[in-house]
Amino acid sequence: DVKVTQSSRYLVKRTGEKVFLECVQDMDHENMFWYRQDPGLGLRLIYFSYDVKMKEKGDIPEGYSVSREKKERFSLILESASTNQTSMYLCASSPGLFFNEQFFGPGTRLTVL
Amino acid sequence: KNEVEQSPQNLTAQEGEFITINCSYSVGISALHWLQQHPGGGIVSLFMLSSGKKKHGRLIATINIQEKHSSLHITASHPRDSAVYICAARGGSNYKLTFGKGTLLTVNP
Repeated sequence: DVKVTQSSRYLVKRTGEKVFLECVQDMDHENMFWYRQDPGLGLRLIYFSYDVKMKEKGDIPEGYSVSREKKERFSLILESASTNQTSMYLCASSPGLFFNEQFFGPGTRLTVL
Repeated sequence: KNEVEQSPQNLTAQEGEFITINCSYSVGISALHWLQQHPGGGIVSLFMLSSGKKKHGRLIATINIQEKHSSLHITASHPRDSAVYICAARGGSNYKLTFGKGTLLTVNP
């Protein structure tokens, strides 16, 4: 079974802090994704990585950056957290792009005070 | 840009009832995904389909490409089926998924 893990289930940070969200997958998948999920808006893609050190902006990349130094690990970075970044963050991975399902992690609920 | 609409937004059923959740999208797609999210956050992929029908246990997913419409059916519903069900459409040559806002299903014993 594919396993996607995220470093924290719940996280509380202060405005202006630098925040790291970590995601690890154990199935050698090429592609990894970061989404945020907000009530009434559904899931929205923040960033996508299709290989080590390769990344592409999603629909809402502003205020975020990512890092993929190793194939199994994809990090989401909030350089200076703001209250409007309070959300559920979900990581996913997939072996291929077009005809493969995505496997999701359990999510990190981030609160920025 | 693809728009994905789900209906209903909320659905309450009694145990044993037949459930249908609908998903419509606005432009041609290469695949349609159905996902399940239980309280607490984790999302599980139920189906990925590009034509016809797929069945897994009590769950059935269908898609009509001409109508740009997909349905998820649950037969003999059970309280453990209570969850948010999300459909997501993948564009023809685009890796990105466009997600519906989800349908909250509550099955009462």
